Amino acid sequence: GQQLNQSPQSMFIQEGEDVSMNCTSSSIFNTWLWYKQDPGEGPVLLIALYKAGELTSNGRLTAQFGITRKDSFLNISASIPSDVGIYFCAGRRTTGANNLFFGTGTRLTVIP
Amino acid sequence: GAVVSQHPSWVICKSGTSVKIECRSLDFQATTMFWYRQFPKQSLMLMATSNEGSKATYEQGVEKDKFLINHASLTLSTLTVTSAHPEDSSFYICSAESGGQPQHFGDGTRLSIL
Repeated sequence: GQQLNQSPQSMFIQEGEDVSMNCTSSSIFNTWLWYKQDPGEGPVLLIALYKAGELTSNGRLTAQFGITRKDSFLNISASIPSDVGIYFCAGRRTTGANNLFFGTGTRLTVIP
Repeated sequence: GAVVSQHPSWVICKSGTSVKIECRSLDFQATTMFWYRQFPKQSLMLMATSNEGSKATYEQGVEKDKFLINHASLTLSTLTVTSAHPEDSSFYICSAESGGQPQHFGDGTRLSIL
């Protein structure tokens, strides 16, 4: 199936720094989701976006649904060690179809 | 929040045996459940989508007879890897959704075939 292009592939940052990652697609999506996956576990939903241009926050996390509907970004402010993990974006094309298309993932390492 | 339970979390078995993985939605009725496969350092790849009481829809390249999916109730779906071989070793993850809400994932099952 189709995968979304996610960048960067990996990041090494100092604790306290802000993080930004994005996801792009050649197709339009009606829903963008951001998940975090810890080693050996399933992905956990962080933020869901449903409208083009929507900007949503969840604590130190902020995500935006691109106006073209072909991209989304996730920002993490003031990173902490427990932010370590793999972050995946996922898009869904229509409300009638359930399939999620996942990004390639961004592996985040936070150096204390 | 929505909770999806997956069992077992880890299984090791001999080549040729069949392995069943269960996925349960604990506090909601899942209209649709999904099964994914994830190789190390890679993203999730959708294997199949199943709706309660109907046959699963498999993604291209996924063998229906190899990966049997049963979705007998709104809270339970099972994936059976039949006659498993070492190349079937992987991390299998299920997810469930209801009413257009985002998918919630189980904690995955690590399958190792010797």
